[in-house]
Amino acid sequence: EAGVTQFPSHSVIEKGQTVTLRCDPISGHDNLYWYRRVMGKEIKFLLHFVKESKQDESGMPNNRFLAERTGGTYSTLKVQPAELEDSGVYFCASSPGWGRWGALSPYEQYFGPGTRLTVT
Amino acid sequence: KNEVEQSPQNLTAQEGEFITINCSYSVGISALHWLQQHPGGGIVSLFMLSSGKKKHGRLIATINIQEKHSSLHITASHPRDSAVYICAVHLGGGADGLTFGKGTHLIIQP
Repeated sequence: EAGVTQFPSHSVIEKGQTVTLRCDPISGHDNLYWYRRVMGKEIKFLLHFVKESKQDESGMPNNRFLAERTGGTYSTLKVQPAELEDSGVYFCASSPGWGRWGALSPYEQYFGPGTRLTVT
Repeated sequence: KNEVEQSPQNLTAQEGEFITINCSYSVGISALHWLQQHPGGGIVSLFMLSSGKKKHGRLIATINIQEKHSSLHITASHPRDSAVYICAVHLGGGADGLTFGKGTHLIIQP
């Protein structure tokens, strides 16, 4: 079974440009999470999808960030326009959720490798 | 003050030593995760626990809900255990996003 994948692994953009990060969760996982680690700080929660719906977006820093989850499968996180303080590593995670057959631990989160975003 | 505090922030030990990493949290939680991240690597979930103790190989995780405290132990440590160990909690339900500690950077010297 493929794990959580993220694309790109690294992105370098200039301030004011737009960047779109993609996350493909484990197939069949209803829950998808975006997190971010800014240098020197702890990882912070950004938002949570249940299937295609935003369950909790309380961690989104501002309206320059837009997340979508098309058809409840992959998710994108767009930053427009990017600012210097957006630099960091963006992690995606997924979990099966209740009701998933064979899910021993429905809320155990599986993390992607992260996308390192550098805004110059 | 972060809701999840880890100690120590950095730990260097010799191969074979018994390692303990601590995590304290300030509010009620539904579950706690211990995560591992190797240099340049992704984040791997080691344990998810809401009570008692779990063991996997040389790793042991314990939690005391009343004291709002968890520990991660590594027995017979090995250089390959060198990594950042992160404590994270579910403040609400189990499906909620995680709140993370800053991590403990562990180096095991041969």
